[in-house]
Amino acid sequence: QVQLVESGGGVVQPGRSMRLSCAASGFTFGSYGMHWVRQAPGKGLEWVAIIWYDGSKKYYADSVKGRFTISRDNSKSTLYVQMNSLRAEDTAIYYCARGYYYVSGTYSPGDSFDYWGQGTLVTVSS
Amino acid sequence: SYVLTQPPSVSVAPGQTARITCGRNNIGSESVHWYQKKPGQAPVVVVFDDSDRPPGIPERFSGSNSGNTATLTISRVEAGDEADYYCQVWDSNNGHLWVFGGGTKLTVL
Repeated sequence: QVQLVESGGGVVQPGRSMRLSCAASGFTFGSYGMHWVRQAPGKGLEWVAIIWYDGSKKYYADSVKGRFTISRDNSKSTLYVQMNSLRAEDTAIYYCARGYYYVSGTYSPGDSFDYWGQGTLVTVSS
Repeated sequence: SYVLTQPPSVSVAPGQTARITCGRNNIGSESVHWYQKKPGQAPVVVVFDDSDRPPGIPERFSGSNSGNTATLTISRVEAGDEADYYCQVWDSNNGHLWVFGGGTKLTVL
């Protein structure tokens, strides 16, 4: 069955960096676009970033653009996000989520997020 | 910016019908997805592409989308449906953004 398992969260000081990982299994990872989504304490869901199935395109929310970098290693079925210059407002549970399916040149980036990990908590605090 | 407007809360008695709206100018031309989020759990998609249901989601969950409003309808509401619900759309016209509504807390009285 499809599984997404995030890791790498914890407490980090403002201005420092952290890298999160998302290990995928149960599906052909390299055929799917992948997202990061976060939820700050007491707040709603916020989309963070997407990476194309082959890593060729990446898009970011304005709130993280220039500070976060999404990447993937299809040989390891793993998704990453490198978070630099962290701020208190980046404190959140970070989820990875499976997006669109690419097959034979056909795909729709607007497809729903059909599987989610359980999330990893990032706390930015001094 | 692309904003999806949801009511902060909706309350309904068990067995009744809950309707949660998601508003934006001409949202009927977009494909809307709905997610259920319970505390301590990962979000789950309950309706995708306006009105389709993933396997395992009860038929009580349905969706519609027309004009300026998309609606998630939960029929015969049960206590276990109490959760936060979020609509979500892909905004391809403004730099490729995937946007969530602010969320609606469904309370089962």
